[in-house]
Amino acid sequence: DVKVTQSSRYLVKRTGEKVFLECVQDMDHENMFWYRQDPGLGLRLIYFSYDVKMKEKGDIPEGYSVSREKKERFSLILESASTNQTSMYLCASSLSSGSLDTQYFGPGTRLTVL
Amino acid sequence: GQNIDQPTEMTATEGAIVQINCTYQTSGFNGLFWYQQHAGEAPTFLSYNVLDGLEEKGRFSSFLSRSKGYSYLLLKELQMKDSASYLCAGAGGSYIPTFGRGTSLIVHP
Repeated sequence: DVKVTQSSRYLVKRTGEKVFLECVQDMDHENMFWYRQDPGLGLRLIYFSYDVKMKEKGDIPEGYSVSREKKERFSLILESASTNQTSMYLCASSLSSGSLDTQYFGPGTRLTVL
Repeated sequence: GQNIDQPTEMTATEGAIVQINCTYQTSGFNGLFWYQQHAGEAPTFLSYNVLDGLEEKGRFSSFLSRSKGYSYLLLKELQMKDSASYLCAGAGGSYIPTFGRGTSLIVHP
């Protein structure tokens, strides 16, 4: 079974703090994704990566950065957290960068910024 | 750009059949997914369509019409555990899917 894990299920941070969200997948997938999910807005893509050290902006990258130093790990960084970044963050992975594959999602991190 | 549209909420009765529609407008087309997401949990894969027609998988079926930019998810013999959000995700010219806002299905006894 594919397993995607995220470092925290719940996180509370203060405005202005630097926040790291970690995601690890154990199936040697090439693609990894970070989404945020808000009521009424659905899943919105923040960033994705199709290889180590490679990253591409999604639909809403502002206020976020990412890091992929190892194939299995994809980190989302909020450089200076703001209250409008309070959300559910979902990480996903898929097999190949050259084809459309099923995405496997982690359990999510519910981030609250006070 | 890509636009995925699906109803916000639907209700149905246990044992019944429900059809959740999804329309899409994409530049090119590489396939369409349906995912199920229970409250507080991660989305999980249900189906994938790239060719026109119906794909059946147990109680769940998914249909695609590429010419109409239209798909539906059909759930038969509804059970209480089918209460969840159902996410339609389409991929246009790239291999990165765009998600709709999800349809919240409430199954009543």
